[in-house]
Amino acid sequence: DAGVIQSPRHEVTEMGQEVTLRCKPISGHNSLFWYRQTMMRGLELLIYFNNNVPIDDSGMPEDRFSAKMPNASFSTLKIQPSEPRDSAVYFCASSFFQAGTDTQYFGPGTRLTVL
Amino acid sequence: AQSVSQHNHHVILSEAASLELGCNYSYGGTVNLFWYVQYPGQHLQLLLKYFSGDPLVKGIKGFEAEFIKSKFSFNLRKPSVQWSDTAEYFCAVRGTYKYIFGTGTRLKVLA
Repeated sequence: DAGVIQSPRHEVTEMGQEVTLRCKPISGHNSLFWYRQTMMRGLELLIYFNNNVPIDDSGMPEDRFSAKMPNASFSTLKIQPSEPRDSAVYFCASSFFQAGTDTQYFGPGTRLTVL
Repeated sequence: AQSVSQHNHHVILSEAASLELGCNYSYGGTVNLFWYVQYPGQHLQLLLKYFSGDPLVKGIKGFEAEFIKSKFSFNLRKPSVQWSDTAEYFCAVRGTYKYIFGTGTRLKVLA
């Protein structure tokens, strides 16, 4: 299995621009998670999908952030407009949720720099 | 509230030294516990996990962890570290569906 795939691996953009991060979960997994990692705040859960439905988006920092999962094999995290404080590494993780014994597998991350 | 505490933020060891990283959790239900490792510039990788059964769990690369329910702890151990173990280590507890991660411990192994 190829594991969780994220693109792009690096993104540099200017303040105010729209940024779209992409994630392909492991085939067969039914849960998908978006995390943000910064030095100051560590690893933060942004949003969680189960069977393509957003279950918990309480970690999404503000309305500038949105996430979609149109099907079981693809998810996007969009930031519009982007700000310098959004600079971080964004990880996608997936798991097969079954009776509370799932294990999350992380993608390689997207390093976002907003100038 | 669910929480995970990793008390050691930075650890420096010489090669061949023994390692123990502390992890304490707070969660009222059945716990699933994990240790992940993040090598410099890379993503989180699963080291080991505990769901039930033998409280001493063996993972990859010679790591092990012991679940002590009475102490709400899940400490990570390795008898002899190598330079290649330099990384950041995260403990996590799984709640209803969320993973609650600790703040991480940065390990530096001196050659």
